[in-house]
Amino acid sequence: ETGVTQSPTHLIKTRGQQVTLRCSSQSGHNTVSWYQQALGQGPQFIFQYYREEENGRGNFPPRFSGLQFPNYSSELNVNALELDDSALYLCASSLDRGLISPLHFGNGTRLTVT
Amino acid sequence: RKEVEQDPGPFNVPEGATVAFNCTYSNSASQSFFWYRQDCRKEPKLLMSVYSSGNEDGRFTAQLNRASQYISLLIRDSKLSDSATYLCVVNADTNAGKSTFGDGTTLTVKP
Repeated sequence: ETGVTQSPTHLIKTRGQQVTLRCSSQSGHNTVSWYQQALGQGPQFIFQYYREEENGRGNFPPRFSGLQFPNYSSELNVNALELDDSALYLCASSLDRGLISPLHFGNGTRLTVT
Repeated sequence: RKEVEQDPGPFNVPEGATVAFNCTYSNSASQSFFWYRQDCRKEPKLLMSVYSSGNEDGRFTAQLNRASQYISLLIRDSKLSDSATYLCVVNADTNAGKSTFGDGTTLTVKP
């Protein structure tokens, strides 16, 4: 069984730039969720994708966008980066849309915006 | 008020101690509950689900109190390797797709 993988593991960007983060879901999982975790806080829900469609979104501005592909892998895109976007970005896959089955996380992408 | 609240700690306990964490949630429509463990600078990992009747997994016991809207995690016979941040997670059908995390409780087990 292949777990959730994310790339890259670390990234440094400048304010105003754009970034794309990637995630491959665990085999057999059709749902991918993205979370942002700032230091000392719990993960905050960005959005979820189920069968290539967005299935819920947290309180994040439109410059945070995403995609899910037919193989259930996913991308998170962030435009016009701000300093406060510096955080650990976590991707999680699950068997369903998250009500019953738990989330399985990748090891995250640590983004630093300078 | 946050949807899910945890005492941030830190909890500093000696090896062998019993320690308990609580987590309160505000959405009465919440339907599923989990505890995750997160080591420093790593991803959260599922520790256990929380069932209505309470459940145990080795040294760990989870309980749910729907009336008071809280879940708890009890760790018996603490080990050094239990040192981590423990996150509670609450899911509600009304929050499509969203798992709501607490900010975590930090546990340090000392020799």
